[in-house]
Amino acid sequence: AQKVTQTQTSISVMEKTTVTMDCVYETRDSSYFLFWYKQTASGEIVFLIRQDSYKKENATEGHYSLNFQKPKSSIGLIITATQIEDSAVYFCAMREGDSNYQLIWGSGTKLIIKP
Amino acid sequence: EAAVTQSPRNKVAVTGGKVTLSCNQTNNHNNMYWYRQDTGHGLRLIHYSYGAGSTEKGDIPDGYKASRPSQENFSLILELATPSQTSVYFCASGDAWGGEQYFGPGTRLTVL
Repeated sequence: AQKVTQTQTSISVMEKTTVTMDCVYETRDSSYFLFWYKQTASGEIVFLIRQDSYKKENATEGHYSLNFQKPKSSIGLIITATQIEDSAVYFCAMREGDSNYQLIWGSGTKLIIKP
Repeated sequence: EAAVTQSPRNKVAVTGGKVTLSCNQTNNHNNMYWYRQDTGHGLRLIHYSYGAGSTEKGDIPDGYKASRPSQENFSLILELATPSQTSVYFCASGDAWGGEQYFGPGTRLTVL
């Protein structure tokens, strides 16, 4: 069965440091897409970055990058040079290649950036 | 600027009343989605659509209907609202290839 698991409920780090948030997934498909989203304190949900399963290179987008470890079914989100405004809840999600475009969501990790 | 907008942003309804939540997107995406978000449950898919005239049931469709009259508009309808439908509702539009979804600002619905 398809499943996305985020085991870290909350992480707290100092500003300007690097943080990694973990996500593991389960799928039987050979083709799938992985996503990270950010939900701010105001409730806004923002798409951050996507990894296609067939790509070996880790995706990067600004100060976000991914650590895609396919054999471990793991997709970590790395935020470098964190800023106070990075404080938010981060969701991992997956779409299987033959799905009807539905996303399977993780439960989220709350990131707190301390000044 | 391409965007997903929702109206109303806040709504208080009475039990048994009819509620319509509206969503408009200018992303020119075929796919649109309605979610609800409750503490402890994350995002749960209610209905989705592949294009004008189509609606599909998501994971928790009971008590909800959806309507997609055009590419841009997707509505969620609660015919007989109940207090258990008090929640924050998000609409999203989706890219057909990669599948990433772009969200509206959400509607906070309270059913008394």
